[in-house]
Amino acid sequence: NAGVMQNPRHLVRRRGQEARLRCSPMKGHSHVYWYRQLPEEGLKFMVYLQKENIIDESGMPKERFSAEFPKEGPSILRIQQVVRGDSAAYFCASSYGTGTGAEAFFGQGTRLTVV
Amino acid sequence: AQSVTQPDIHITVSEGASLELRCNYSYGATPYLFWYVQSPGQGLQLLLKYFSGDTLVQGIKGFEAEFKRSQSSFNLRKPSVHWSDAAEYFCAVGENTDKLIFGTGTRLQVFP
Repeated sequence: NAGVMQNPRHLVRRRGQEARLRCSPMKGHSHVYWYRQLPEEGLKFMVYLQKENIIDESGMPKERFSAEFPKEGPSILRIQQVVRGDSAAYFCASSYGTGTGAEAFFGQGTRLTVV
Repeated sequence: AQSVTQPDIHITVSEGASLELRCNYSYGATPYLFWYVQSPGQGLQLLLKYFSGDTLVQGIKGFEAEFKRSQSSFNLRKPSVHWSDAAEYFCAVGENTDKLIFGTGTRLQVFP
C-alpha cells in the first residue's frame, strides 16, 4: 500500500505562471488536507476536501488559490499567477476519516520556488 | 485564539542523553494532541497521539509524551537519544484529524 504520493517533488515557476500540485491519497482514504510550510515556520492548514467536495477552506488565500478532489484522480492544488511569497513547501495529507483513531498520513511535499 | 507554542527552536544533545521537547497549547476544549517528526526533505511522520485516557502516551521509536491538563502541555520525551533521531519535531493540536494547528517546530541536533 503506497503512501500519500505528491508530485512533483520540486517545482520552479516564474512570477505570473501557474503552479499545479498533485496529491494521490493512500488507498481507501477519501479525506485530503493541504498544508503550507513557509521557511522556518510550522505547517499551516489550507483546505480540507472529500471526494468532489470542499469541506473547509478557511486557510486558503482568497485569491489565486484553488483546490479540487475529483471523483477520479488526484487532488490538485492550483496557484495562479504565482508570486515570490508563494515559495514554500506544500504538504498533502490523507485519512480514512476524522474521528477518534483516524490518523492523517502526510506526503513528502512539493517544494515550490518562484523566481 | 487556538495556538501551539514550542519554545525551543533548536536543541542539541549528545547521543545517549535523555531528551525532552516542550509543547504548550491554547485551545477551547480538550484537544487531540499529536507529535510529528520531519526528516530533512521528507514529509511528516506521526510519532504519537493523545485523544483521551492515560495521560502518558507511548509512541514509535521509543518516544513518549505526557499530557498535563493543568499546564496545557504535551511534552515529548525519550530516555536515550540516537543519532538517527536528529530531525525537526512538530507538536500539533486539533479537534480531530482535520485542520491541525502546528507549532513552529524544534530542530534536534545529536552529537556523537
